[in-house]
This record gives sequence, structure tokens and C-alpha cells, in this order.
Amino acid sequence: DAKTTQPPSMDCAEGRAANLPCNHSTISGNEYVYWYRQIHSQGPQYIIHGLKNNETNEMASLIITEDRKSSTLILPHATLRDTAVYYCIVRVASLRDMRFGAGTRLTVKP
Amino acid sequence: DAGVIQSPRHEVTEMGQEVTLRCKPISGHDYLFWYRQTMMRGLELLIYFNNNVPIDDSGMPEDRFSAKMPNASFSTLKIQPSEPRDSAVYFCASSLRSGPSGANVLTFGAGSRLTVL
Repeated sequence: DAKTTQPPSMDCAEGRAANLPCNHSTISGNEYVYWYRQIHSQGPQYIIHGLKNNETNEMASLIITEDRKSSTLILPHATLRDTAVYYCIVRVASLRDMRFGAGTRLTVKP
Repeated sequence: DAGVIQSPRHEVTEMGQEVTLRCKPISGHDYLFWYRQTMMRGLELLIYFNNNVPIDDSGMPEDRFSAKMPNASFSTLKIQPSEPRDSAVYFCASSLRSGPSGANVLTFGAGSRLTVL
């Protein structure tokens, strides 16, 4: 699997957009980018995934660069409840398990 | 659906005792995963099953750990004998292979917090 690099921590003001970067410069053509998050004391929660195109759902948007070497998860209007650790995972779809790294600890401040 | 159900939510035991953690996956899901989370090592995959068959148990720390899935609606993770270093939060997750293309969506339970004294 491609290795991912994420900043260990980030802050964001409540109501502003939170932009969480992920570097995956060794990604291969059949690997997807997945984002999960873990709110304190809870199990991880799936957010969004993508292969090449940008994706949007009710939780977030995923922007993947054209060369696919990096991506950004965007929470358009961050709330205090978005404070969590966010994990970027690169994985081929045929492998059903998810391997979690250290992630980015996002703190949304009032 | 009630989601992935784990029990017990909290367990405190003494070193040397047997510990059994339980998991009920989402109905219809054909993959089941056991993870362990500690401050030092983060979230680690221990073992996962497909259609009740263990696929990869390379993450199981040692022979004291065993996992079973006797049917599609139940799995156990057993530690015998338990040691203080086994103290962690253990998560169970399930997923459905025939989901949308590329969608590897794991649904996690609330976790079982184990403390071994």
C-alpha cells in the first residue's frame, strides 16, 4: 500500500472550512483514497472515498490532485462536534481491511 | 439496524484471568474485523474474517489471543491468560463486500475497554 503522510494536528475556527491534507505520493493507479474519523472514545467513522475524481457527500468533500499524489478533505462549515482524529488511508478496493496510521487531530475552536 | 454491537463495554480483570469480548456484526455484512487501540500503538488490525472464515490473523499479538466466528452474526475475541499490557480498547467492525464500487466502508462498534490489573 502507498504510504500516507498527514500533519499530526490542526486547528480550525468554528463555522470556517477545515482543510485536511494528505500526501500519498507513491499511490498506484488502482488504489483508492479513504477518509475516516474518530471522535474521542468512539469507533472510527467512514467519511468519504475517491479514486480520481473529486467527491462530495453530506459530510465532506474530497479533492484529489490530478497526479493523485495528494488529497484534501474539506469540512465546509466545521462545528465543535467535528473535533476528532482524521485518518487518510490508501487501499486497493480488493483488500477489504483498513490500516490506520496516526492521522490528524483536528480541533475546532469556538 | 442497531449497528455493530459489542459487549462488554467495559471490563476490569486481574492478570491471568480469561477475557472474552463479543461482537454482533451488522446483519448481511460478510466481513468482520477486530482492532485494538492503545495510546502507544494506535489502531491496530488484529484479525479479520470473510464469511466466517479467518482471512488474515497476522496482527494477533501472540498465542494468548484467539478469535472465532461460529456464525454470521457472532464473533468472539478471547485472551487467555490476560496480562496488564493487554489493556486497550478493542473495536469490532463489519463491512459488506458487494457495496458500491471501491467503497470499503467499515462500520465500527462502540468498543470494549479492557483493563487488566
